[in-house]
Amino acid sequence: AQSVTQPDIHITVSEGASLELRCNYSYGATPYLFWYVQSPGQGLQLLLKYFSGDTLVQGIKGFEAEFKRSQSSFNLRKPSVHWSDAAEYFCAVVTTSGGSYIPTFGRGTSLIVHP
Amino acid sequence: ETGVTQSPTHLIKTRGQQVTLRCSSQSGHNTVSWYQQALGQGPQFIFQYYREEENGRGNFPPRFSGLQFPNYSSELNVNALELDDSALYLCASSPDSWATEAFFGQGTRLTVV
Repeated sequence: AQSVTQPDIHITVSEGASLELRCNYSYGATPYLFWYVQSPGQGLQLLLKYFSGDTLVQGIKGFEAEFKRSQSSFNLRKPSVHWSDAAEYFCAVVTTSGGSYIPTFGRGTSLIVHP
Repeated sequence: ETGVTQSPTHLIKTRGQQVTLRCSSQSGHNTVSWYQQALGQGPQFIFQYYREEENGRGNFPPRFSGLQFPNYSSELNVNALELDDSALYLCASSPDSWATEAFFGQGTRLTVV
């Protein structure tokens, strides 16, 4: 069965600093990879996704992520964090099973931004 | 604004009762999926429906069931509620499958006492 690991429960950065959130997955093939963001009291919003092709993908709000097959990783990055980026970030993998797409989420990383 | 609405926003139920949560998807979205998000955890996939048929299920017992209707609305039913069922329940809709993009509602906070 597939699994997703987000090793950092909390990350604290200063506004304007760079950010990297880690995500590792376990699956026999290359899954579809997603990053979602959840603000307090809100649903999840898609930041970016990787299906195939260029391993560096660009998303909304200035985020990017890089797929590294050799490391089974899909880390999320942002060069300069804004206070409004404080939220919960979830990595998800989507795999196929019997013709269906099955999503598995990591437990999330809480981003705290200091002014 | 994702165009996916869930009702009610909050709900308190007693252990052993049954509950029905509702989701209204975007028009034209043929896939709806449901998730349980416990406090401090990521969403856990319960099941998904494609054109009114269940076509994927996570590791949840049969007392979790669902329906999808032709008008792009759906329901999650939970029987014999347990205290551990207390969580945020999210639904998400997609135009065809999860391979494109899932649009999430804001969730229903269920508390079982």
